[in-house]
Amino acid sequence: NAGVTQTPKFQVLKTGQSMTLQCAQDMNHNSMYWYRQDPGMGLRLIYYSASEGTTDKGEVPNGYNVSRLNKREFSLRLESAAPSQTSVYFCASREEVESSPLHFGNGTRLTVT
Amino acid sequence: SQQGEEDPQALSIQEGENATMNCSYKTSINNLQWYRQNSGRGLVHLILIRSNEREKHSGRLRVTLDTSKKSSSLLITASRAADTASYFCATTQGGSEKLVFGKGTKLTVNP
Repeated sequence: NAGVTQTPKFQVLKTGQSMTLQCAQDMNHNSMYWYRQDPGMGLRLIYYSASEGTTDKGEVPNGYNVSRLNKREFSLRLESAAPSQTSVYFCASREEVESSPLHFGNGTRLTVT
Repeated sequence: SQQGEEDPQALSIQEGENATMNCSYKTSINNLQWYRQNSGRGLVHLILIRSNEREKHSGRLRVTLDTSKKSSSLLITASRAADTASYFCATTQGGSEKLVFGKGTKLTVNP
């Protein structure tokens, strides 16, 4: 099992460009999440999906859109990238049980110039 | 806003010593989880403690929870250089699917 796979690992964008971060999990988890991690800020929740077909906003959703394509895949889209979106992005998944742990991918390091 | 706040922000100790990290949170919780992050990697789940539990052990890890003070602590005993990492607490509230993380404690264990 690969667990949670994120692509790409690194990306450099210019201000105003768009891109989609991909995430896939092979653990048959219902819930999937996108976080961003910035120095001194810890992890902040962008969007999450409790089940296929549903998505909800987290703490910092502005400037992002998400798609739960199917049970395995949850993508994060930046329509018009800004320097403030320079960050490391983590995708995670877990079973639909309140006490279940999150399983994380290894992140996408995004730089917006 | 972030729910958990770890303390201290950074901790440097010698191999063999114990490391204690604290987490405070603001609202009532269902459970509290601790995660570890090695540099450049995703987070890895360490241990979960439910709101009706006061203490839990897993190997060299000991977690306590004080719901009256809205705080938790993570103790790593007999630390090793390989324990060098950042440690985060995370909480869920009510029936929410949201898992909210603190800012983390960066632990350095010197050989």
